Amino acid sequence: DTGVSQDPRHKITKRGQNVTFRCDPISEHNRLYWYRQTLGQGPEFLTYFQNEAQLEKSRLLSDRFSAERPKGSFSTLEIQRTEQGDSAMYLCASSLAFNADVRGAFFGQGTRLTVV
Amino acid sequence: AQTVTQSQPEMSVQEAETVTLSCTYDTSESDYYLFWYKQPPSRQMILVIRQEAYKQQNATENRFSVNFQKAAKSFSLKISDSQLGDAAMYFCAYRSTLNFGNEKLTFGTGTRLTIIP
Repeated sequence: DTGVSQDPRHKITKRGQNVTFRCDPISEHNRLYWYRQTLGQGPEFLTYFQNEAQLEKSRLLSDRFSAERPKGSFSTLEIQRTEQGDSAMYLCASSLAFNADVRGAFFGQGTRLTVV
Repeated sequence: AQTVTQSQPEMSVQEAETVTLSCTYDTSESDYYLFWYKQPPSRQMILVIRQEAYKQQNATENRFSVNFQKAAKSFSLKISDSQLGDAAMYFCAYRSTLNFGNEKLTFGTGTRLTIIP
C-alpha cells in the first residue's frame, strides 16, 4: 500500500463546469477526510466519513459541493457550477478510527483545482 | 470554536543549527491533541510530532521536540541539527478528544522554513 492516492493531481476547468475528484485512502483506514487549502493558508476542514457514513460537514461545504464514499472505500468530491473562488488545493486524508489521535491522519498529495 | 495561530510566516536557519517554530491556540477544552505537520513542496503533508494535552512531558521524535505550555496555550516545535530536507511548510494543528462531530484537525496558517546551506 503506497498511501493515500488522489486523482487527478491537477485540474483546470472553466467557470460553471462541474468537476469530480477521487481519493483512495489507505486500505484499512475507515475514516476519510476532505480539506481545502488556499494559497498561504492552512488546510480547512470540509467533511469526513467513517466507513460510508458522512458524519460531519463544514459550513464551507456549500450546496454546490457533494462528497460520497460508496462502500466505505474510495471517496469522490464533486463541485458543481465551479466558481473562481473554488480554486484551491483539495486534500484527502485517512486514518484508523481508534488511533486517529495517536498517529494522526495520513494525507494525499492533493488535487490542485484552477477555475478560469 | 478552536483557533490555531502561527505568527511566523517564514523562518530560516543555517544547516546544522537549531530553530524554533511558534504556535498558539485557543480552546475551552481541557483535553485535546496537538500536532505538527510538515508539507514539503509538491509533496504530501506528513506528521512530525504529536502531543496529548493531559501529558505534562514534552514529546520528542529524534531531532524534533516540542515545548508544550498548557496554561499559556503554546505549542512550539524545536528542530535541532537542521538538515536541507527539513525545508518545508510546517503546520500546527489541533484536534479535540471528543468524538462524533469533533474529528477534524484545525490548522494554523503555517510557517515556511528555509534551510541555508
